[in-house]
Amino acid sequence: EPEVTQTPSHQVTQMGQEVILRCVPISNHLYFYWYRQILGQKVEFLVSFYNNEISEKSEIFDDQFSVERPDGSNFTLKIRSTKLEDSAMYFCASSGIANTKTQYFGPGTRLLVL
Amino acid sequence: QQQVKQSPQSLIVQKGGISIINCAYENTAFDYFPWYQQFPGKGPALLIAIRPDVSEKKEGRFTISFNKSAKQFSLHIMDSQPGDSATYFCAGNPGRALTFGSGTRLQVQP
Repeated sequence: EPEVTQTPSHQVTQMGQEVILRCVPISNHLYFYWYRQILGQKVEFLVSFYNNEISEKSEIFDDQFSVERPDGSNFTLKIRSTKLEDSAMYFCASSGIANTKTQYFGPGTRLLVL
Repeated sequence: QQQVKQSPQSLIVQKGGISIINCAYENTAFDYFPWYQQFPGKGPALLIAIRPDVSEKKEGRFTISFNKSAKQFSLHIMDSQPGDSATYFCAGNPGRALTFGSGTRLQVQP
């Protein structure tokens, strides 16, 4: 069964450093998303991406965040200058044309900012 | 107006019992209501979803009941099993962004 994959599974970085989180969405999906989950809390929407542009973003997704689809398979989230409060689990998700509402999540990247 | 309120925060059920988790939403523009199951260290996995034009949807042991007038929906897990022990999130979305509830940690005791 097709699935969303994410790399790395864990990332530790120093405050102020840039990180790039990578995702490979399900191959025939066209809608891509990033969510985050701070430890013990609910999942929060960051951004959605379609047709090579951002279609929705939350208040959390400020200027330090950016997304990119650098090629036909990868979808990335860049955090330019990490802060302690960026420590969280980051999930990528994707949805297809047949049912655009149904989002399939990857296993996540656990980001720890020291 | 974008909130989804979920209860209870935690739930302990005996094996074979019925687990019931409730959610309420505020935004009447929500038109899709999925439930996700999450095991520790894993991503949310879609369990079952409903649209507001139906009042109930059943898939195996999992049933969603939906009350549009009350803006409430619930997940029922019949014949609960220890393997069902996980955190369950309800969600809703009017567009692309899913708004999640706060989660319910379910523990099914053998």
